[in-house]
Amino acid sequence: DVKVTQSSRYLVKRTGEKVFLECVQDMDHENMFWYRQDPGLGLRLIYFSYDVKMKEKGDIPEGYSVSREKKERFSLILESASTNQTSMYLCASSSNSLGTFTGELFFGEGSRLTVL
Amino acid sequence: DAKTTQPPSMDCAEGRAANLPCNHSTISGNEYVYWYRQIHSQGPQYIIHGLKNNETNEMASLIITEDRKSSTLILPHATLRDTAVYYCIVTYTNAGKSTFGDGTTLTVKP
Repeated sequence: DVKVTQSSRYLVKRTGEKVFLECVQDMDHENMFWYRQDPGLGLRLIYFSYDVKMKEKGDIPEGYSVSREKKERFSLILESASTNQTSMYLCASSSNSLGTFTGELFFGEGSRLTVL
Repeated sequence: DAKTTQPPSMDCAEGRAANLPCNHSTISGNEYVYWYRQIHSQGPQYIIHGLKNNETNEMASLIITEDRKSSTLILPHATLRDTAVYYCIVTYTNAGKSTFGDGTTLTVKP
């Protein structure tokens, strides 16, 4: 069974702390994504990656960075957490089907981050 | 990616068909229609996708109008476990870069 695993379901951090959210997929997918989900705002794309060591900004990258040193792992980093980064964070992956259109997204269970 | 419009909420009786509409009037010829759902406290789950033709899988059916400006997701025999938020997205490149709006909250009632 395909699986996207996020390291922590719930985290509580203090303002100014550095926060790492880890995501691992076991499907050998090329593409990985990080979103945040807030009530009334839907899912918003933060960063994505099409390959190892490659990253691209999504719609709301400010205050975040990412790392993809290995194909299966995509990390989201909050360099200095702020209260407005309190949110549900979702990781997803997808493959490149036939070298063209990418298919379905597989999501992790989510990490609920609270910044105090 | 084209913008989609969905009703914010719908109810359905258990055992009956749930028909969830999605409007995507600005869809272009090479854009696919995808449906996902999100059960409370879980990540979204893929349901089905289509380009022009109607599609069916073990979870649902997708009906796309001939002009492709709207579609309907059909859950043929809704159960209480189908209570979730359903998202319709339209994309031609990479589904991951699409915007997931607020979707439709479907409540299946006994």
